[in-house]
Amino acid sequence: ILNVEQSPQSLHVQEGDSTNFTCSFPSSNFYALHWYRWETAKSPEALFVMTLNGDEKKKGRISATLNTKEGYSYLYIKGSQPEDSATYLCAFLSSGTYKYIFGTGTRLKVLA
Amino acid sequence: DTEVTQTPKHLVMGMTNKKSLKCEQHMGHRAMYWYKQKAKKPPELMFVYSYEKLSINESVPSRFSPECPNSSLLNLHLHALQPEDSALYLCASSLVGGEAFFGQGTRLTVV
Repeated sequence: ILNVEQSPQSLHVQEGDSTNFTCSFPSSNFYALHWYRWETAKSPEALFVMTLNGDEKKKGRISATLNTKEGYSYLYIKGSQPEDSATYLCAFLSSGTYKYIFGTGTRLKVLA
Repeated sequence: DTEVTQTPKHLVMGMTNKKSLKCEQHMGHRAMYWYKQKAKKPPELMFVYSYEKLSINESVPSRFSPECPNSSLLNLHLHALQPEDSALYLCASSLVGGEAFFGQGTRLTVV
């Protein structure tokens, strides 16, 4: 059984605060780690596809890092805005399969 | 076209009904997926099709029957469902190992 854990489960921050959350995944048979953002009543949308140990990716105010040896990834949001409110999911892909195993998600609420 | 289209958006069915969920993409993705998502839980993988062949069945009950008639279409046939099967059913597609593109889901209620 592949366990992909995310913490915290939910988070409330004030507008302008910076925040980060964690995704933990198996460190063996790693192929890729994806981050998705899922807003209510919309489809999950990919934020980052990360494949290499030490990867750092950035899109606007959002960035992510990857440590495949120890099995974790961090997602950072700088200067949170109310429109950042969503559930953030990470998904682990092991080598040799087509299975995306999703983490438990972090529900972020940014208060104006 | 980077859309995955799912129909219907909402479905209410009785426990003796037979219905189908449909999913369509035209991105040339050869991997397609069905996920089930219950409230406040992550999406749970049900089935994976690779090159129109079923490659993964996550021990899903036989009352759910997937079908991939061609590289653009994915169906999920439903028969004799139980109320606990009520959930959001998400379809996704991807290139192998690439980011998954999701449909908006079908909200299924079994009465």
